[in-house]
Amino acid sequence: EADIYQTPRYLVIGTGKKITLECSQTMGHDKMYWYQQDPGMELHLIHYSYGVNSTEKGDLSSESTVSRIRTEHFPLTLESARPSHTSQYLCATLRGDQETQYFGPGTRLLVL
Amino acid sequence: GNSVTQMEGPVTLSEEAFLTINCTYTATGYPSLFWYVQYPGEGLQLLLKATKADDKGSNKGFEATYRKETTSFHLEKGSVQVSDSAVYFCALRQNNAGNMLTFGGGTRLMVKP
Repeated sequence: EADIYQTPRYLVIGTGKKITLECSQTMGHDKMYWYQQDPGMELHLIHYSYGVNSTEKGDLSSESTVSRIRTEHFPLTLESARPSHTSQYLCATLRGDQETQYFGPGTRLLVL
Repeated sequence: GNSVTQMEGPVTLSEEAFLTINCTYTATGYPSLFWYVQYPGEGLQLLLKATKADDKGSNKGFEATYRKETTSFHLEKGSVQVSDSAVYFCALRQNNAGNMLTFGGGTRLMVKP
């Protein structure tokens, strides 16, 4: 089972602030994903990575950006947060030869 | 494209009642199918999966059978407990390089004592 950590777990910030949501994993999984979960519960893929220096946009257009400089870390950054970014953000990982994605506990973001 | 449709909630049951949460999918080829569960304040956990037609996934008393003829993967449990209260997500994974999941909209289950 993968160990996936997301920080912070909860964040309340004002409009216009720059924020970075951290996702780290200790299992050496090569594939990592960011999902946005809206209040209606539906999950949308916003970014994914096949490995170091690989990042791709997902199905849902997002103003956030990601980076993958190290296998263990896949941070997500919002340059200027807006109330429309209020959501829960879930990070997930997958080992290349496996089928099951493992999810972190999520970050609940509230932008005032 | 791929899509997953699951019954809307909330589903409210009494303890020990029988549970069915319907899930149907649209996909090309032979996707793998999953049920994930999300307890309050937590991320998603894999509940069960099936990788080919007629496979049955099972875990913690929950079961789902991969039915290709009806493109369905309904979740069932014979006797629910209060601790089963959570949101359940049906998902499919297309067997390609991205290994990306397509999720249904989620179904909230509330079990009352």
